[in-house]
Amino acid sequence: NAGVTQTPKFQVLKTGQSMTLQCAQDMNHEYMSWYRQDPGMGLRLIHYSVGAGITDQGEVPNGYNVSRSTTEDFPLRLLSAAPSQTSVYFCASTPTSGRETQYFGPGTRLLVL
Amino acid sequence: GQQLNQSPQSMFIQEGEDVSMNCTSSSIFNTWLWYKQDPGEGPVLLIALYKAGELTSNGRLTAQFGITRKDSFLNISASIPSDVGIYFCAGTIQGAQKLVFGQGTRLTINP
Repeated sequence: NAGVTQTPKFQVLKTGQSMTLQCAQDMNHEYMSWYRQDPGMGLRLIHYSVGAGITDQGEVPNGYNVSRSTTEDFPLRLLSAAPSQTSVYFCASTPTSGRETQYFGPGTRLLVL
Repeated sequence: GQQLNQSPQSMFIQEGEDVSMNCTSSSIFNTWLWYKQDPGEGPVLLIALYKAGELTSNGRLTAQFGITRKDSFLNISASIPSDVGIYFCAGTIQGAQKLVFGQGTRLTINP
């Protein structure tokens, strides 16, 4: 198993550009989530999904969209990038919502100029 | 907003010393998890706690789920250089599905 994979590892965007952060897991986990990590803030939940076709907002959803067309993939879209979205983004998956281990991907480092 | 208070924010210790960090909340938690994050990596689960009062060890690490279900601590005994990193507590609040994280404790070890 590759676990949770994220692409790209690094990205630089200009303000107003859009992009998609990819996340995939091969563990057949139902629950997937996206976090952003900023200095001194820990990890904050952006969006999550409890299964294919179901998504919901987390703590900081504004400026981001998600979809879950398959169990394996959970892409995060930035519609119009802003400097405030400069952060490190982590995707995570877990087999049962809220109880089991959350497996984290290696992260995507995003800089918005 | 932030629902978990993790302390201390940073620790500077000598190799071989014991370490203690904790998380508290005004909310009741169903689970407590402790993670370690190395530079440039995603968090990795160290210990998971599922019952109030539960005390669990993983090598030199010991964590407990507080009796009130509003707090948890993590102890590291006889620290070694590879213990350096950021430690996060996390938990699921009673009645909610989402995992919330503490702000992290940055551990630095002087050899």
